[in-house]
Amino acid sequence: NAGVTQTPKFQVLKTGQSMTLQCAQDMNHEYMSWYRQDPGMGLRLIHYSVGAGITDQGEVPNGYNVSRSTTEDFPLRLLSAAPSQTSVYFCASRFLDRGEAFFGQGTRLTVV
Amino acid sequence: GEDVEQSLFLSVREGDSSVINCTYTDSSSTYLYWYKQEPGAGLQLLTYIFSNMDMKQDQRLTVLLNKKDKHLSLRIADTQTGDSAIYFCAESRGAGSYQLTFGKGTKLSVIP
Repeated sequence: NAGVTQTPKFQVLKTGQSMTLQCAQDMNHEYMSWYRQDPGMGLRLIHYSVGAGITDQGEVPNGYNVSRSTTEDFPLRLLSAAPSQTSVYFCASRFLDRGEAFFGQGTRLTVV
Repeated sequence: GEDVEQSLFLSVREGDSSVINCTYTDSSSTYLYWYKQEPGAGLQLLTYIFSNMDMKQDQRLTVLLNKKDKHLSLRIADTQTGDSAIYFCAESRGAGSYQLTFGKGTKLSVIP
């Protein structure tokens, strides 16, 4: 099993550009989520999904969109990148009725 | 105050035991987690405990949960230099809430 796979690992964007961070899991998990990790702030929840076709906002959703057309994939879209979105982004997944929550290796995004 | 609190730094000598502490505020938490993050890497799930348990042991790791005081600890026996990392405590709150709320992490430094 690959687990939770995120691509790309690194990305540099110019202010105003758009891009999509990819997240895929092969464990048939219902729940998927996106976090950002910033120095001194810990991990904060951006968006989450409890199943295909269902998404909801987390703590810091502004500037980000998500969709969940399949169980496996949960892409995160930055519509118009800003320097404040420079961060490390983590995707996570889990079953709804079990405790184990697994994280991808992260995408390090720099917006200049 | 913070929802999940951890001390920021811990330094131990190789071969000693490490104890990383965490306090949380939500009495409805269902699962409590410990993750390990090495520099530039993702979050590795070390262990987790269901809220109706007091203790869980897994090889060198022992998790203790004091639900009355909302206190969680992770003990690492025979600490090795490879244990040097940031350790995150996280909680998953209440039925129907699957997101994880993280502490800011404890940086463990192991002195050879």
